[in-house]
Amino acid sequence: ETGVTQTPRHLVMGMTNKKSLKCEQHLGHNAMYWYKQSAKKPLELMFVYNFKEQTENNSVPSRFSPECPNSSHLFLHLHTLQPEDSALYLCASSGGGGDSYNEQFFGPGTRLTVL
Amino acid sequence: GQNIDQPTEMTATEGAIVQINCTYQTSGFNGLFWYQQHAGEAPTFLSYNVLDGLEEKGRFSSFLSRSKGYSYLLLKELQMKDSASYLCAVRGRYNFNKFYFGSGTKLNVKP
Repeated sequence: ETGVTQTPRHLVMGMTNKKSLKCEQHLGHNAMYWYKQSAKKPLELMFVYNFKEQTENNSVPSRFSPECPNSSHLFLHLHTLQPEDSALYLCASSGGGGDSYNEQFFGPGTRLTVL
Repeated sequence: GQNIDQPTEMTATEGAIVQINCTYQTSGFNGLFWYQQHAGEAPTFLSYNVLDGLEEKGRFSSFLSRSKGYSYLLLKELQMKDSASYLCAVRGRYNFNKFYFGSGTKLNVKP
């Protein structure tokens, strides 16, 4: 596997379910991110981890719980979500690996639908 | 607060040139990025500007004016595969890992 991978690609869950999104990067990067992408809205930064430490929590509701066990893996644990949480959740990584701009490399996203 | 503005949608003809503008008002600035995102796919990095002026990369160029809070992405010799959304993002000054995105400009290339 190369680049940034995310699983699952599609997820449908009820409001009482608990599920987790997984992201893995194979680029040797130090920083990992979770973004929410809703139709016709800007990408919303949710969380940033740098060297496994959380450096940014953009006022995200506690029903979203991130976990970063190491610099290559990032999880987003979901529980008691609301229908308005339905969106595309994108993972990204940046930093290290020889890139010079610290540009972000994105995964393909998980399309989440909350019923 | 942070404000990144882009046109919502543009249409251009195959073979033509199109300019996508981005204006920003942020509390700090440490570089501006352009990304391309095809429908249902991940955004991919196109260009980066941190100093004023034009950066050219093949058919794509990006311009920055920091004093005006303005950037544009120029696409030449448009191809049908250029139909996508183009995202402008500004990196915060004090946090190297904080990025602010615009809503994106959907470009439709017609034959």
